[in-house]
Amino acid sequence: EAQVTQNPRYLITVTGKKLTVTCSQNMNHEYMSWYRQDPGLGLRQIYYSMNVEVTDKGDVPEGYKVSRKEKRNFPLILESPSPNQTSLYFCASSDRVSYGYTFGSGTRLTVV
Amino acid sequence: ILNVEQSPQSLHVQEGDSTNFTCSFPSSNFYALHWYRWETAKSPEALFVMTLNGDEKKKGRISATLNTKEGYSYLYIKGSQPEDSATYLCASYTGNQFYFGTGTSLTVIP
Repeated sequence: EAQVTQNPRYLITVTGKKLTVTCSQNMNHEYMSWYRQDPGLGLRQIYYSMNVEVTDKGDVPEGYKVSRKEKRNFPLILESPSPNQTSLYFCASSDRVSYGYTFGSGTRLTVV
Repeated sequence: ILNVEQSPQSLHVQEGDSTNFTCSFPSSNFYALHWYRWETAKSPEALFVMTLNGDEKKKGRISATLNTKEGYSYLYIKGSQPEDSATYLCASYTGNQFYFGTGTSLTVIP
């Protein structure tokens, strides 16, 4: 089944404790991206990657890191999480245009 | 940052009514327009991807049109059903980034 697998689904952590949210896709998509969704603000792009070893900042990259060492994986790293990073996060992949995004199931992160 | 606007923000309709929403986007740097359906507690699912001015797409009772010259797209739902209740998102793709609107929340009242 074509899918984007995102883990974990829920995560509660403390301020400053490094964490990684994993994202893997099995569709051989070149384009992958991370979004955060906050009430009233819609989906905002954190980082995106157009291919292996190519990553770019989106609109809200501060406090996040990503890497794209393999085509299928695009982990999101929070080196020192803060409460303002409490949000719902989505990973998504696409062949860029033709079929739209396939989204992961989301990660609800709470930083206390 | 690209400003993609959707209206209305929310909509309540009776079962059987037809309805439509608007997505406005800058016509410069346009590459494609996406529509997504997002049900509560689920992930957004792609409905349509349109690239050419005048494009029309249809999936069952849902259809969409695109005007790239004036920078808008309409999504139409004919004979709304309770299962159509969801948030409908549009996104403009510029060739490297996607910019999402904040969505239109549709509630269909049985």
